Amino acid sequence: GNSVTQMEGPVTLSEEAFLTINCTYTATGYPSLFWYVQYPGEGLQLLLKATKADDKGSNKGFEATYRKETTSFHLEKGSVQVSDSAVYFCALLNYGGSQGNLIFGKGTKLSVKP
Amino acid sequence: NAGVMQNPRHLVRRRGQEARLRCSPMKGHSHVYWYRQLPEEGLKFMVYLQKENIIDESGMPKERFSAEFPKEGPSILRIQQVVRGDSAAYFCASSRSGTGGTNEKLFFGSGTQLSVL
Repeated sequence: GNSVTQMEGPVTLSEEAFLTINCTYTATGYPSLFWYVQYPGEGLQLLLKATKADDKGSNKGFEATYRKETTSFHLEKGSVQVSDSAVYFCALLNYGGSQGNLIFGKGTKLSVKP
Repeated sequence: NAGVMQNPRHLVRRRGQEARLRCSPMKGHSHVYWYRQLPEEGLKFMVYLQKENIIDESGMPKERFSAEFPKEGPSILRIQQVVRGDSAAYFCASSRSGTGGTNEKLFFGSGTQLSVL
């Protein structure tokens, strides 16, 4: 079956540190991959996505590259800010699935200290 | 332009009572999705609805849970005879269409936190 595994949190970093949140997936076929972010007290927001192998999604300084050979979609940011403190979810959507039937990882909580 | 609105924000019920969670999609959106987030878990898909139709309920528990999205008014997720294990955050999302393509963005509400005493 389809599944997403992401690194356990919480992750605590100082401002301007480099961020990596690992995400690996198991799926048949060629899924689309997503990162969602949930700020405190809010719903999830789409951060970035990639729809095929070697695609790089990017937004707000965050990047993730769809690596089919390692079935990974790690999230990176070169210099985090306090405002990046949130919970980050990796997700996949398998081909032909309805848009809402996303498979989510458990989430990784990021805290950035000034 | 209001986003996806969910209410109540927090709902407390005693075991055996009914819980009704409401979701108003974004303006112009006719597709609604419900997710449940258990403590320390990721979001799990429950059900996908269009106006007056259930499209995919593969994630819904077989008993006590039901969902509707009437022609007029919000989508309702109803849980009958709640148990402690139903305590979770319930999120609703909406989209303009639900074609299965990845170009359509989902917009999430802020969730309803259900606590069963």
